[in-house]
Amino acid sequence: DADVTQTPRNRITKTGKRIMLECSQTKGHDRMYWYRQDPGLGLRLIYYSFDVKDINKGEISDGYSVSRQAQAKFSLSLESAIPNQTALYFCATSLSGGTNEQFFGPGTRLTVL
Amino acid sequence: AQSVTQLGSHVSVSEGALVLLRCNYSSSVPPYLFWYVQYPNQGLQLLLKYTSAATLVKGINGFEAEFKKSETSFHLTKPSAHMSDAAEYFCAGTNPGGTSYGKLTFGQGTILTVHP
Repeated sequence: DADVTQTPRNRITKTGKRIMLECSQTKGHDRMYWYRQDPGLGLRLIYYSFDVKDINKGEISDGYSVSRQAQAKFSLSLESAIPNQTALYFCATSLSGGTNEQFFGPGTRLTVL
Repeated sequence: AQSVTQLGSHVSVSEGALVLLRCNYSSSVPPYLFWYVQYPNQGLQLLLKYTSAATLVKGINGFEAEFKKSETSFHLTKPSAHMSDAAEYFCAGTNPGGTSYGKLTFGQGTILTVHP
């Protein structure tokens, strides 16, 4: 089935470490997004990409970077992880020209000690 | 939508009772609006969407929502709650057209608990 996958699903790391979260999709969508979810705050947009050459900051991009390696792959990096980046991270995709219904991956639970 | 607000972070109902989850938006133009559901340890799944066609939108699992421009609301309802409805629900919106289109603004989420 066409899907959005995220790796790893769970990760525990230490303060100061560099970590990469990966997202792949087989939906053929051109748009991809990274969100973080914190209790009581909903989902907040970190970065988004409307095509391979288009990368944009979201509302909480500080401390994060992204790479769009191909239309189907969008990775999120934490260059030097800190404890308040402990959260649930979601990748999503959508198709341009439509209603922007977004399709979500299963999430990555990241803990920074 | 410039902002989306969900009233009530927790809602508790009895099985068989009406479910009402509230969502209000702020937008300079009529937005596209979505309701997503998140079951434990899973990603978000689309329940229903409003995209400027019919104001009463029916979704999966017996849920529906009505877009009311005069009240800037998009409340989610289900006539009879089932135990399997227990989850967290998110309202989200985007403004069609313009530079912000394509970005969703999410509400804070409402956790629905269903009691036997």
